[in-house]
Amino acid sequence: SQKIEQNSEALNIQEGKTATLTCNYTNYSPAYLQWYRQDPGRGPVFLLLIRENEKEKRKERLKVTFDTTLKQSLFHITASQPADSATYLCAPTLNTGFQKLVFGTGTRLLVSP
Amino acid sequence: DTAVSQTPKYLVTQMGNDKSIKCEQNLGHDTMYWYKQDSKKFLKIMFSYNNKELIINETVPNRFSPKSPDKAHLNLHINSLELGDSAVYFCASSHGSRKAFFGQGTRLTVV
Repeated sequence: SQKIEQNSEALNIQEGKTATLTCNYTNYSPAYLQWYRQDPGRGPVFLLLIRENEKEKRKERLKVTFDTTLKQSLFHITASQPADSATYLCAPTLNTGFQKLVFGTGTRLLVSP
Repeated sequence: DTAVSQTPKYLVTQMGNDKSIKCEQNLGHDTMYWYKQDSKKFLKIMFSYNNKELIINETVPNRFSPKSPDKAHLNLHINSLELGDSAVYFCASSHGSRKAFFGQGTRLTVV
């Protein structure tokens, strides 16, 4: 069966460092992969989408890579700030004609000053 | 303007009661979802609708009945509430399955 794995343990880093979060998936071939941020008490917010033919995508301090051979995506936040503290969810997604958006378990990021 | 709004935000009710949660999106999206997020914070898909038609039903007990009167609305009715139904329920919408927008969540507490 399809499986999406993210580090269940919280990631603690110091302000200014680069945070790297991992998303691994098995038993399917997503056409693209999405990353969302969730703050306590709020719904997830879309951050980035990367397609299977894109190796890397950037948005401001965020960078996402997508390795379809390794079945893995890495999510980087450079120059991290305490305001980046949140849970980050990945969603490897099949083609748009398949309306099923399934998320990984999420990784909690804590950035300390 | 709120893109995806769901009501109520909080719902406290007794076991055995029936309750509904409403969701509306003003983004013109063709797909709407219901998710359940339990105390362990895992966001689990329950239902997916595309253009008012049920696409995905993820082995949810039939006490849960979604209804989509039109593309902009997806309501969730829950019969005979049980303690295990306590969770935060999120509504979301998207074009296909990309770039979903989520509501603020409904925290359901069954006592």
